[in-house]
Amino acid sequence: EVQLVQSGGGLVHPGGSLRLSCSASGFIFSNYWMNWVRQAPGKGLEWVANINQDGSQKHYVDSVKGRFSISRDNAKNSVFLQMNSLRAEDTAIYYCVYKMDVWDKGTKVIVSS
Amino acid sequence: QSVLTQPPSASGTPGQRVTISCSGNRSNIGGNPVNWYQQFPGTAPKLLIYHNYQRPSGVPDRFSGSKSGTSVSLAISGLQSEDEADYYCATWENILNAWVFGGGTKLTVL
Repeated sequence: EVQLVQSGGGLVHPGGSLRLSCSASGFIFSNYWMNWVRQAPGKGLEWVANINQDGSQKHYVDSVKGRFSISRDNAKNSVFLQMNSLRAEDTAIYYCVYKMDVWDKGTKVIVSS
Repeated sequence: QSVLTQPPSASGTPGQRVTISCSGNRSNIGGNPVNWYQQFPGTAPKLLIYHNYQRPSGVPDRFSGSKSGTSVSLAISGLQSEDEADYYCATWENILNAWVFGGGTKLTVL
């Protein structure tokens, strides 16, 4: 069974940084793309970033380009989202998503002074 | 403003058949397979349909997907009260090099 366990969310001041981690099990992690998707309070889903199997390809939604960075460690079956220069509009529940199929429970990121 | 267009709401009575549409263009729906997700309040989305019409294991066959050109539809037959949820379509967008979602459709079972 695919399992995704995330950590790293919380409250951060505007301009601050946060790193989300997602640990995967139940599948051959190094064989698949991984994604991050977010959902602002009361809003719809917004895809944030993805990374290919060996980390050589990364894509980002325009609103986070230059501020967020996705990476992975296949030896540790983990994917990360480094979020810098955080803004109030980055406040959301962040989901780690295997392919675009299986979602973790999500973690809250609140950007507020 | 979402890249993919869904109606904000839909409704039906128990037992009815309801369809939810999702429209895009040639660079997204027209050229790539589409997923549908179901989300209940306070929970993570769940994959409902993948590759336009395929159902993951465990999804009832009351849920079906179809595609025509640059639009897709999700049909729910034999509507049940537990189907009340938000539904999202999503696909890869070739020009943006990004996954894009519809704005979501809130389904109410009357």
